[in-house]
Formats: sequence, C-alpha cells, structure tokens
Amino acid sequence: DAKTTQPPSMDCAEGRAANLPCNHSTISGNEYVYWYRQIHSQGPQYIIHGLKNNETNEMASLIITEDRKSSTLILPHATLRDTAVYYCIVRAFDTGGFKTIFGAGTRLFVKA
Amino acid sequence: DSGVTQTPKHLITATGQRVTLRCSPRSGDLSVYWYQQSLDQGLQFLIQYYNGEERAKGNILERFSAQQFPDLHSELNLSSLELGDSALYFCASSPRGVGTGELFFGEGSRLTVL
Repeated sequence: DAKTTQPPSMDCAEGRAANLPCNHSTISGNEYVYWYRQIHSQGPQYIIHGLKNNETNEMASLIITEDRKSSTLILPHATLRDTAVYYCIVRAFDTGGFKTIFGAGTRLFVKA
Repeated sequence: DSGVTQTPKHLITATGQRVTLRCSPRSGDLSVYWYQQSLDQGLQFLIQYYNGEERAKGNILERFSAQQFPDLHSELNLSSLELGDSALYFCASSPRGVGTGELFFGEGSRLTVL
C-alpha cells in the first residue's frame, strides 16, 4: 500500500471549514483513498473514501487531485465535536488479506 | 454504534498472565481485524481473518495469537503478559468480499498489565 503524508496537527475555528490535506504521491491506479477519524481513545470511525472522483456524504467531502497524488478532506462546518485525529489511508481492494495501515494522522483542534 | 462488540471493555491483570479479548463483528461481515494502540501511539495492525482463515499478519508478537470461529466472532489471546502490552486493543470488521473496504471499529478493550 502506498504511503501517505499528513501534517501532524491543524487548528480550525468552530463553524469554519476544516481542510485536511494528504499526500500520496506513490498511489497506484487500483488504490483508493480512505479517511477515518479517532476521537480520543474511541474506536476509529470511517468517514469517506474515493478512487478519483470527488465524493461527498453527510460527514464530509473528499477532493482528489487529477493526478491522484494528493487529496483533501473537507469538513464544511467544523464543530467542537470534530476535534479528533484524522487518518488518510490508501489501499487497494482485495478479496484476500488487507493490511490497512494507519499512519500518525493529523490532530485537528476545533476552537470556539 | 458501529455494530462491532468487544469484551471486556476494561481488564487489569499482572505480568506473566494470559488474557483473551473477544470481538463480535457486524452482522454479515466476514473479515475481522485486530489493532493495538499503546498510550499516545498510533494504531498498529496485528492480524486479519476472513471467514475463519488468517489472511494478513502485521507485527504481532509470538506471545499473541488469534482465531476466528465458525460463527465469525474472533478472539485475541495474549500470553506471558508484559508491562508494555498495556494498550487499547481494537477489533474491526468489514463487509464481505470485494465490498467497499471500509472498516467498522469496536470501542476497544483497555488492557492494563501491572
């Protein structure tokens, strides 16, 4: 699986959009970009994933660059409850074994 | 609620002991994953099972073992426990087959080794 690079921490004002970047320059054509978050010692929570098109769901939007070497997770109106560690992962689908590897992630602080 | 159930939620034991952590995946999910998260550390992938068979292995210690049973629940066995094994242990499950690949995590089992 391709490696990802994320900033260690970011701040965001409550009510503003939080834009979390992720670099994955070695991504392969069959690898998807996944985002998860972990709110203080809770189990990680799936947010969104995509291959090459931009994706949106009730939680967030995922913007993937045309060359697929980077992506941005957008939380449109961040709240205090969005303070968490956000993980960007790239991984191919596989009918066999998955080694979904989590990096250090980005610690997002949403401030009032 | 992710639908993944882990027991026990908290466990305190002594060095040298053995414990078993249990995971019940979401209904219909065939894959189960185990992760270890030590204090202020990242999530370390341990092992994955698919429909009862081991499919992927991470940096799992030889003192640790796991299995997935016919009813798809999984157990992680930790033996000869050391202080450094104190951690949160997460189980996750994912939909069958090629699916969409997202993992659904339980709330974890917090192990304290004294």
